[in-house]
Amino acid sequence: GQQLNQSPQSMFIQEGEDVSMNCTSSSIFNTWLWYKQEPGEGPVLLIALYKAGELTSNGRLTAQFGITRKDSFLNISASIPSDVGIYFCAGRPDTGTASKLTFGTGTRLQVTL
Amino acid sequence: NAGVTQTPKFQVLKTGQSMTLQCAQDMNHEYMSWYRQDPGMGLRLIHYSVGAGITDQGEVPNGYNVSRSTTEDFPLRLLSAAPSQTSVYFCASSRGGEKLFFGSGTQLSVL
Repeated sequence: GQQLNQSPQSMFIQEGEDVSMNCTSSSIFNTWLWYKQEPGEGPVLLIALYKAGELTSNGRLTAQFGITRKDSFLNISASIPSDVGIYFCAGRPDTGTASKLTFGTGTRLQVTL
Repeated sequence: NAGVTQTPKFQVLKTGQSMTLQCAQDMNHEYMSWYRQDPGMGLRLIHYSVGAGITDQGEVPNGYNVSRSTTEDFPLRLLSAAPSQTSVYFCASSRGGEKLFFGSGTQLSVL
């Protein structure tokens, strides 16, 4: 099946630093999504992207749909302690309810004071 | 606002036992799915449903059964538990299959 590679696997940063992570696919996706999972909870949707080249922000988070349709990027500016968690990318090759999301392996973010 | 409710939160089984993980959503979503989360593996799709009476297999369906008799409920059955099924299980629902709302998970240990 399709695979999504996320990097880095983990990050340890200081409060106030900016964060960048990315996700690459072996095939083309028409939808990219970014989720955040906090300890003991299910993932929560952060940003959804639908068009190649699209750049979308949600507060301090900005995500981009790669031009090749095989990658996506997430940036977090001025990190704060509540940014701690696992960030997952997810992609879907086509539209329609039967199309299944593929999830990446996650980037674990730790923020130190 | 209940959203997606999963029960139980924690479960310990012996090898060979069967059990059902419950999932209910109150958002009238057509699409429901089950994922398992293992360290370093991300979330892998077990089974999904696009509406009552319709189910299909995901990436890792072996050892699991599902049914969808109502829009609200989508239980996951482990037929004969194995240690390889030790994992955290998440149920999710959505209107269109992509903007998933997740439950808080069931942590399952099979001894």
